[in-house]
Amino acid sequence: KNEVEQSPQNLTAQEGEFITINCSYSVGISALHWLQQHPGGGIVSLFMLSSGKKKHGRLIATINIQEKHSSLHITASHPRDSAVYICAVRLFIQGAQKLVFGQGTRLTINP
Amino acid sequence: ETGVTQSPTHLIKTRGQQVTLRCSSQSGHNTVSWYQQALGQGPQFIFQYYREEENGRGNFPPRFSGLQFPNYSSELNVNALELDDSALYLCASSLGLEFAPQAKPNYGYTFGSGTRLTVV
Repeated sequence: KNEVEQSPQNLTAQEGEFITINCSYSVGISALHWLQQHPGGGIVSLFMLSSGKKKHGRLIATINIQEKHSSLHITASHPRDSAVYICAVRLFIQGAQKLVFGQGTRLTINP
Repeated sequence: ETGVTQSPTHLIKTRGQQVTLRCSSQSGHNTVSWYQQALGQGPQFIFQYYREEENGRGNFPPRFSGLQFPNYSSELNVNALELDDSALYLCASSLGLEFAPQAKPNYGYTFGSGTRLTVV
């Protein structure tokens, strides 16, 4: 079982729909990241969370540390939101910080 | 403030060859991490460099090695390339441990666009 599990793996929706992507993890973390990866491969950091909720434009990220669960929401989705969304947890192990990634959720928003 | 730059962007190598990938860290960042992302998978941690030394390693064999330079830029070297080494290699810079111990949520990662390596 992966330390970080995302669901769904693939999601197709119509423009304007409300999108939710879920992330569960099984280890103690110092922070959780939501990342966006476009077909070219480059990764953009959307949020870094250690508690509560953050909002940036149409994107909202929440985390429940007790339940080891985080969600990424997109309101009023648009075709340009189509990308792979990756959840990554930051672990602090033996003096080093590393990110452990989920497998990603491929989101396609149709016009 | 410059971001993370990786070079080359694409590379084709033959099995058994050696490859060097390069990464320049974001201004102000002193730690570089390398990740391997196979097609359709999430990135996997290879190792991290901090103060020019390897500081944490994932489940990768010794033929994956690296360097960090005084200007915090980094190289990833892979010897004796295998077909399974074909992947996107991502570099991420961050602020190191003396500034970001365990639970400091304000210190993020900046990722490069990656180097896509194809081994034939």
